[in-house]
Amino acid sequence: DVKVTQSSRYLVKRTGEKVFLECVQDMDHENMFWYRQDPGLGLRLIYFSYDVKMKEKGDIPEGYSVSREKKERFSLILESASTNQTSMYLCASSVDRGVYEQYFGPGTRLTVT
Amino acid sequence: DAKTTQPNSMESNEEEPVHLPCNHSTISGTDYIHWYRQLPSQGPEYVIHGLTSNVNNRMASLAIAEDRKSSTLILHRATLRDAAVYYCILGGGSGTYKYIFGTGTRLKVLA
Repeated sequence: DVKVTQSSRYLVKRTGEKVFLECVQDMDHENMFWYRQDPGLGLRLIYFSYDVKMKEKGDIPEGYSVSREKKERFSLILESASTNQTSMYLCASSVDRGVYEQYFGPGTRLTVT
Repeated sequence: DAKTTQPNSMESNEEEPVHLPCNHSTISGTDYIHWYRQLPSQGPEYVIHGLTSNVNNRMASLAIAEDRKSSTLILHRATLRDAAVYYCILGGGSGTYKYIFGTGTRLKVLA
């Protein structure tokens, strides 16, 4: 079974802190994604990576950066956390771009106070 | 970007079929139609996808209108474990990565 794991299920951080959210997949997938999920807004794509060290902006990249130094690991970084970044963060991976199934992790609920 | 429209919520009795509708009137010719579902406290999981023809798999069936402006996810016999938020999503055509998620339909299954 494909497994996508995220470093924390719940995280509480203070405004202005630097926050790292880690995601690891074990199926040698090329593509990895970071989404945030908010009530009434559905899932929105933050960043996407199609290869090691390669990244593309999604719909809402402002306030976030990403890092992909190894194929299996994709990190989301909040350089200076703000309260409007309180959300559920979901990581996903897929074998390739296009119609391939995306496998999601369980999510990290981040609260910024 | 093409968008999808789904009812906010639906109810079904256990062991009865469920038809979950989705409208996507601005779908492009290369957009695939995907369905994912999200069980409580979990990430979304893939259900089914199609382009023009109806599709069946072990989880569900996907019926796509001839003009592709709407589709219906069919769960043949709903169980309590099917209670989830179901997302109808467009994307993946032309080798793109981008999926457009809507807000989904919350399905409640009554015992």
